[in-house]
Amino acid sequence: NAGVTQTPKFRILKIGQSMTLQCTQDMNHNYMYWYRQDPGMGLKLIYYSVGAGITDKGEVPNGYNVSRSTTEDFPLRLELAAPSQTSVYFCASLESGSNQPQHFGDGTRLSIL
Amino acid sequence: GIQVEQSPPDLILQEGANSTLRCNFSDSVNNLQWFHQNPWGQLINLFYIPSGTKQNGRLSATTVATERYSLLYISSSQTTDSGVYFCAVASLPGGTSYGKLTFGQGTILTVHP
Repeated sequence: NAGVTQTPKFRILKIGQSMTLQCTQDMNHNYMYWYRQDPGMGLKLIYYSVGAGITDKGEVPNGYNVSRSTTEDFPLRLELAAPSQTSVYFCASLESGSNQPQHFGDGTRLSIL
Repeated sequence: GIQVEQSPPDLILQEGANSTLRCNFSDSVNNLQWFHQNPWGQLINLFYIPSGTKQNGRLSATTVATERYSLLYISSSQTTDSGVYFCAVASLPGGTSYGKLTFGQGTILTVHP
C-alpha cells in the first residue's frame, strides 16, 4: 500500500516555463487536496477535489490549475512559472465521511529561477 | 475562515525534558491533526484528535473541543524529536468543510543532547 505518491520530488524551473506536479493515491479516497508550504510557514490550500470531475479553489489558487479525471490522480498544473511559486507542494487525500486523518505525500520541492 | 494559533513559536530543550505545545482555534472543528515535520520535510501524522485524549509512546495529545484548544505533550524528549510541529483543523460551520485543513504556523522544537 503506497498511500499518496508525488512526483517529482525536486524540480528547478525557469520563469515562464510550465509543468505538472503529479499526485496519485491507491486508497480509493474521494477527497484530494493540494497545499503549498512557503519557508517558515504552515501549509495553505491551493485546490481540492471531492470526486472525479469535481474541483474547487482553496485559499491560494492563482497561477494554478487542476483536473480530476480519475479517483486516483489529481495533477497540479503551473502554466507560467513565477518566482513567487517557489515552494514545497504537498498532495493529500481523505475518505469522505470518515473519521480518519488526512494522508499526505512526501512533497515536491519546486524552485523557480 | 477559521484561525489557528500555535504556541510557543520556538522551544529549546535539553534531552530528557518534557514539553507542552498548544493549539488554539477559533471555531468548531470536526478534524484536528498534529503533525511532525522532520528535517527532510516529510509530514508525519502524530494524532488525529478532534476531541478527547490519545497517547502514543512518549507523546500524548488532548483536545478540549468546547474550549477550542488542543495540547501536545512530549515526555523525555530525544534529539530525534527536533523539527516543526503543526496543528491543523477542519471546521464545521453548519455544513461540511470537505475536510479542508487550516494549518497553524507551527512550533519549532530543538532538542539538544
